[in-house]
Amino acid sequence: VQLLESGGGLVQPGGSLRLSCAASEFTFGSYAMSWVRQAPGKGLEWVSTIDVSGDSTYYTDSVKGRFTISRDNSKNTLFLQMSSLRAEDTAVYYCAKAPGGAATTRFDCWGQGTLVTVSS
Amino acid sequence: DIQMTQFPSTLSASIGDRVTITCRASQSISSWLAWYQQKPGKAPKLLIYKASSLESGVPSRFSGSGSGTEFTLTISSLQPDDFATYYCQQYNTYSKTFGQGTKVEI
Repeated sequence: VQLLESGGGLVQPGGSLRLSCAASEFTFGSYAMSWVRQAPGKGLEWVSTIDVSGDSTYYTDSVKGRFTISRDNSKNTLFLQMSSLRAEDTAVYYCAKAPGGAATTRFDCWGQGTLVTVSS
Repeated sequence: DIQMTQFPSTLSASIGDRVTITCRASQSISSWLAWYQQKPGKAPKLLIYKASSLESGVPSRFSGSGSGTEFTLTISSLQPDDFATYYCQQYNTYSKTFGQGTKVEI
């Protein structure tokens, strides 16, 4: 199982960024997927989850209305579109796989993370 | 949202010690609890799921117990590779939450 995030970088407050997570070595379309972030020196924070079809999505309150999770099962790729970014969104963003199709679950495989820095 | 409280936040131990970390949920989560290990600059690694089930490939010195609101992670004999930060995570609801972490140091 491999998950490879990309798309992180430096963005100004109020700006937008799109993260991608390329999956390989497993049947991507059979598993729920999530984004989890970690601010510098801080703990883990669940951000968002998407079900296998992409029809159901879930967000932590602080990103609702600003972030959108999506997936392209034909390209084995997970996305996180982030807009109206704030300084407090600065973090390493991890792509994480569920062990099955359920959205209420643990994370059995993680990517290496991509750093998003929101600063002027 | 369900709040997860871990303690202690830092734990000093020696090789061979038995180590116990506690995680408390603000409401019952049945057994829907996972434990992760994270080393500096690395992604977390799943150790335990459903409170007491050992993830494949994880050494048997790691064990988990508890249900409802009180859970523990135990390392029976601390090894050099175990110095890391440990997080609990509840997955009883769609809004999954983590504890604040416990750093195990020498």
